[in-house]
Amino acid sequence: AQKITQTQPGMFVQEKEAVTLDCTYDTSDPSYGLFWYKQPSSGEMIFLIYQGSYDQQNATEGRYSLNFQKARKSANLVISASQLGDSAMYFCAMREGYFGNEKLTFGTGTRLTIIP
Amino acid sequence: EAQVTQNPRYLITVTGKKLTVTCSQNMNHEYMSWYRQDPGLGLRQIYYSMNVEVTDKGDVPEGYKVSRKEKRNFPLILESPSPNQTSLYFCASSLLRNRKTGKNEKLFFGSGTQLSVL
Repeated sequence: AQKITQTQPGMFVQEKEAVTLDCTYDTSDPSYGLFWYKQPSSGEMIFLIYQGSYDQQNATEGRYSLNFQKARKSANLVISASQLGDSAMYFCAMREGYFGNEKLTFGTGTRLTIIP
Repeated sequence: EAQVTQNPRYLITVTGKKLTVTCSQNMNHEYMSWYRQDPGLGLRQIYYSMNVEVTDKGDVPEGYKVSRKEKRNFPLILESPSPNQTSLYFCASSLLRNRKTGKNEKLFFGSGTQLSVL
């Protein structure tokens, strides 16, 4: 079974609209962390946002927020007021385990294109 | 400046010619890892290391070797590269997870190495 599932290979969104990128995960570890990374065409990996499994509130970082639904095991990234510079590949990732048994898994990514 | 330095940025080689991709971090991170990125497959973990002299296989370790003789360095070695190892490779580092707080630490990535094996 996939640990991290991103079901949208590609999305096209009008500039200034909000965007939701889907991510579901699978783990039996009660303590885990969820991350989103952005990869622009230049190739570097840029950290966007983090959500811990014990965090009571959804994480927010500027225009990015994470819609964390623990019971559904989903961690969708929401980008408000999209900009042309948001066009990129987006990866969801999960980190679980401790002390020599850590595991960090990435999804297959969603390519987001913002249309002017 | 805190960073993960990965070299070379681009590499073209031929089948069977041993190569090493270097990775160094200046943040005193315990955890270091190598990933390969292929279209439609996302990032897949090759090897990771929790500390000096401690390495373990990820999801796709075949055809690769690593070593962790010093905390800051984690080279990736391809003893006999083959065309199916043509890929974009990333090195990454972080602190270990904090067991008390459950707080994860984000990965810091190198700028990537685009490898082509002919």
